[in-house]
Formats: sequence, structure tokens, C-alpha cells
Amino acid sequence: DAGITQSPRHKVTETGTPVTLRCHQTENHRYMYWYRQDPGHGLRLIHYSYGVKDTDKGEVSDGYSVSRSKTEDFLLTLESATSSQTSVYFCAISGVGLNTEAFFGQGTRLTVV
Amino acid sequence: AQSVTQLDSHVSVSEGTPVLLRCNYSSSYSPSLFWYVQHPNKGLQLLLKYTSAATLVKGINGFEAEFKKSETSFHLTKPSAHMSDAAEYFCVVSDNPSGTYKYIFGTGTRLKVLA
Repeated sequence: DAGITQSPRHKVTETGTPVTLRCHQTENHRYMYWYRQDPGHGLRLIHYSYGVKDTDKGEVSDGYSVSRSKTEDFLLTLESATSSQTSVYFCAISGVGLNTEAFFGQGTRLTVV
Repeated sequence: AQSVTQLDSHVSVSEGTPVLLRCNYSSSYSPSLFWYVQHPNKGLQLLLKYTSAATLVKGINGFEAEFKKSETSFHLTKPSAHMSDAAEYFCVVSDNPSGTYKYIFGTGTRLKVLA
């Protein structure tokens, strides 16, 4: 497996609380991504980063923010968690090039009660 | 913007029979296409990728896919299903607006293999 570690792997939190998920890579890849996976929707892109301090929104970015202060770390923050953000979150990394595949972490299962 | 459509949300086959998982893509230029597999409660693993070098792409575990530009399709096949193939499969297209790279997923096809 590519060197990607997500933490925590499981989390239960209450509505309205802030939550931060961490993705750490040891591959020195330029691109990092956060996706959420929900039944019937596949994986949907939340935010992505194309370099340190360079980030952009994906298709489902509302309610989420990200930060990347180092090449190896990409943080996803839910400012005020809602039940609709209960999901499985995947981090991915990739190198440069249109034909380069993405490598995925093991996922974080987040439950907002 | 590019997109992919997986035509079947569920597919059931008997062990030892062929597998066909269908994917159509939309692209304004030559795409990069991928198939990923996800076993229950696991992460995603790359099965194969199309990079324009050859239209028939061979992947791991006996899977292959054929890129057909005229049909905008990239269907995944395997001659003989095994019980261990039961999983969810995702067709993915790589998009690169403004020089950045994004991976756009289909909604997935859950493959069930019957004994």
C-alpha cells in the first residue's frame, strides 16, 4: 500500500462540534484529495490540494475546510458537524500527470449524532 | 467537465461465468480512465488504467477493460468470476481543469458472485 495514513479511523461526534480529520503521506506526492463515500453516490470530491497552501473546492465542499501547511499533511475540518456529514471519508494522493493513478487511504468512518 | 456513468448499480453472476461491468464516460478530450475495486470495509485498490497506449488494458486478478472511443465506453470484463471478486467497482475519469488533476468517480457497481 502507498504510504497514506488517515486518523482517526473511527469517530463519533455530536452535532455542532468541530471535527478535524488528518491525512498523512510518506510518498512526497504533490496532489492530495478528500472524498466522502455515501451509498448510491460513489466517492465525491470535497477538496483537493495541488501543493503546500494551494487548495481548491470539489463538488461537495459546503461545510468543510482544508489546510495543507506541509507536503505530507492534509487536514479536513468540519466547522460545525451535522448529521448529513455522517459518512466514510477517504484521503487520496497522486503524482503529477494525467495518466497517474490516485492512491487511497483506508478511510475514516465519521458518525455525527 | 468530464463525467462517468456506471450503467448498473448491481450485477449478479454465478461463479465461473463471465463478468461485465459497464462504464460510459463523457470527455471533451482524450481521457485517462481507471477501474478501482473496493472490498467490504476496505480502501480502494487500482484494478487497471487506460493511458492511450493500448485500447485493451489488462489489470490484476484477470480483469481487463477495452477503451472504445466511438462508443465512449470503458467496460470491465473478466472471463470467469471467482467468489473473491465480490466487491464494489468504480469507474473513474481523470480531469485536469487549468492544469490541476481531479478524479471523478462513477456511482459504483456492486458485484455479487453466486456459488
